Amino acid sequence: RKEVEQDPGPFNVPEGATVAFNCTYSNSASQSFFWYRQDCRKEPKLLMSVYSSGNEDGRFTAQLNRASQYISLLIRDSKLSDSATYLCVVTSGTYKYIFGTGTRLKVLA
Amino acid sequence: GAVVSQHPSWVICKSGTSVKIECRSLDFQATTMFWYRQFPKQSLMLMATSNEGSKATYEQGVEKDKFLINHASLTLSTLTVTSAHPEDSSFYICSAIRGQGRSGGYTFGSGTRLTVV
Repeated sequence: RKEVEQDPGPFNVPEGATVAFNCTYSNSASQSFFWYRQDCRKEPKLLMSVYSSGNEDGRFTAQLNRASQYISLLIRDSKLSDSATYLCVVTSGTYKYIFGTGTRLKVLA
Repeated sequence: GAVVSQHPSWVICKSGTSVKIECRSLDFQATTMFWYRQFPKQSLMLMATSNEGSKATYEQGVEKDKFLINHASLTLSTLTVTSAHPEDSSFYICSAIRGQGRSGGYTFGSGTRLTVV
């Protein structure tokens, strides 16, 4: 089993739609969780950290479920510019990041 | 904000040659840098952790004699792909920690696309 698993997609959604991605992790000792965004042939950029209490940043909401060992990302009112690959990242006690394979999102006009 | 500069952005080299990739932290000191590799449609895979002034720590399955890492200063880490082969063609990305890594303090370089012909 992979340490961090994501549905690779692609998720094709119309503009204005709400879309959600999940990411599961295998190490129950994982401590920190993040969502990164990666555009084609570019480096990943931090989208948001994921806290136990959940957090929201504009149209983006991240949730953590430690009991079931998954994190989620919800995007409301999708924009064309949201089209990208969304990477789930988990750390485990050190600064070592474990990346998921990413979920591709394509927002259609 | 924290900036990590990676150079070159892309390189094409002949099979059997060596390629050096540089990763610099421009406005902060990075005691630890990380080197990742990403094949098309795959995840970023950690290759090694580079610590200033000491030997790098390589992940399982990564040949340390093939991927030479040098972190001689607090602002520069280099990755040298020695005797490159076509299967080494990939996207190589470095990252550095600034402040508390657990708060998302990783900053990534812009990546190097290596093509070995």
